[in-house]
Amino acid sequence: DIVMTQSPATLSVSPGEGVTLSCRASQSVRTNLAWYQQKPGQAPRLLIYGPSTRATGIPARFSGSGSGTEFTLTISSLQSEDFAVYYCQQYNDWPPGFGPGTKVEIK
Amino acid sequence: QVQLVESGGGLVKPGGSLRLSCAASGFSFSDFYMGWVRRAPGKGLEWVSDISTNSKNRNYVDFAKGRFTISRDNAKNSVYLQMNSLRADDTALYYCAKAASRLFITDWGQGILVTVSS
Repeated sequence: DIVMTQSPATLSVSPGEGVTLSCRASQSVRTNLAWYQQKPGQAPRLLIYGPSTRATGIPARFSGSGSGTEFTLTISSLQSEDFAVYYCQQYNDWPPGFGPGTKVEIK
Repeated sequence: QVQLVESGGGLVKPGGSLRLSCAASGFSFSDFYMGWVRRAPGKGLEWVSDISTNSKNRNYVDFAKGRFTISRDNAKNSVYLQMNSLRADDTALYYCAKAASRLFITDWGQGILVTVSS
């Protein structure tokens, strides 16, 4: 199975700052990578797939990039509603696998 | 809008069984892959199983093989997960998922808690 890793595990950020989250795959997943956001007590929400196409209704401050084994999710200016856990997921090979998540918390 | 509503979770003893159901609405159910993803306490998201539009393809991760069975009823806009021989490490929040054909998840249910404990 492809192993997904994410770094850092936690990011402490002030509102208005920009952040970059990293996701790495143990082997190439080409561009078959998605990002999800999960807030406490809520279901995850699809942010980005492919790996730079925003899902419906996702603000432009979220952007994704990368291919192969290295991917990034950038949030250009953190809003209060963006503090959450972010997961990447590869869907190139079965089983689809998730990274362990990066928690973005208020500094 | 898309709605996925899970039911059927609860407390079960080790070795017991549960059947999770997911009622879907707001989209053409028969056109989409469906799946189940879980999150155990203190852990990350974990793919469990998925099923193709016509039920011909059903996939299970290793821990689910031989114990879990996924099914769907397109007439009832529902997907199911029959879980047998449950173990303590199956304790998790189980999410019903609507998937794109490439198996990333476009929509999630709110999740249903399964607790396996004596």
